[in-house]
Amino acid sequence: NAGVTQTPKFRILKIGQSMTLQCAQDMNHNYMYWYRQDPGMGLKLIYYSVGAGITDKGEVPNGYNVSRSTTEDFPLRLELAAPSQTSVYFCASLRNTEAFFGQGTRLTVV
Amino acid sequence: DQQVKQNSPSLSVQEGRISILNCDYTNSMFDYFLWYKKYPAEGPTFLISISSIKDKNEDGRFTVFLNKSAKHLSLHIVPSQPGDSAVYFCAASATGGGNKLTFGTGTQLKVEL
Repeated sequence: NAGVTQTPKFRILKIGQSMTLQCAQDMNHNYMYWYRQDPGMGLKLIYYSVGAGITDKGEVPNGYNVSRSTTEDFPLRLELAAPSQTSVYFCASLRNTEAFFGQGTRLTVV
Repeated sequence: DQQVKQNSPSLSVQEGRISILNCDYTNSMFDYFLWYKKYPAEGPTFLISISSIKDKNEDGRFTVFLNKSAKHLSLHIVPSQPGDSAVYFCAASATGGGNKLTFGTGTQLKVEL
């Protein structure tokens, strides 16, 4: 049972580059989320989705985009990477009120 | 605007003793509260939760207490074990809010031998 899978685990980007963080879940959950965690801070919600084809902004959406073409996949896109986007990114899916998290992607923008 | 606050960044406890982690919230619309545990280089994992209609929920060594009037909840771990050393996040959600979780900043628990 894979749960929530995130790729890559680590990435270094140069300022202005773009990339997509991948997230897939095999639990058939409708709700999916992207969070970022900065050092000493809690998890901040970037975007979320309540089902395929439906996405909405969270607390810190600027500089990011998402899509949800299938129930399983919820990729997060960074178009013009900035140093402020250096963080650890977590994807999660929800069953009832319990969120299941992936292992995270550590992104450094230099 | 930090709606969920964990004012203790760290806590050190001896093995076998009780660990008490605290969490305060400001949003009165929150009606479900959860605790997550996080080890380094891993994603958070669900530990225990409580609905606002209860004031206590127990699961083995873990008990969560909710004081709605004070907008305060706490996680008790007894007895504490070295494997409990991790960062603990308090989270809250509101019905009808897209099931979005709002997290606190976390408390690093260290259980010493």
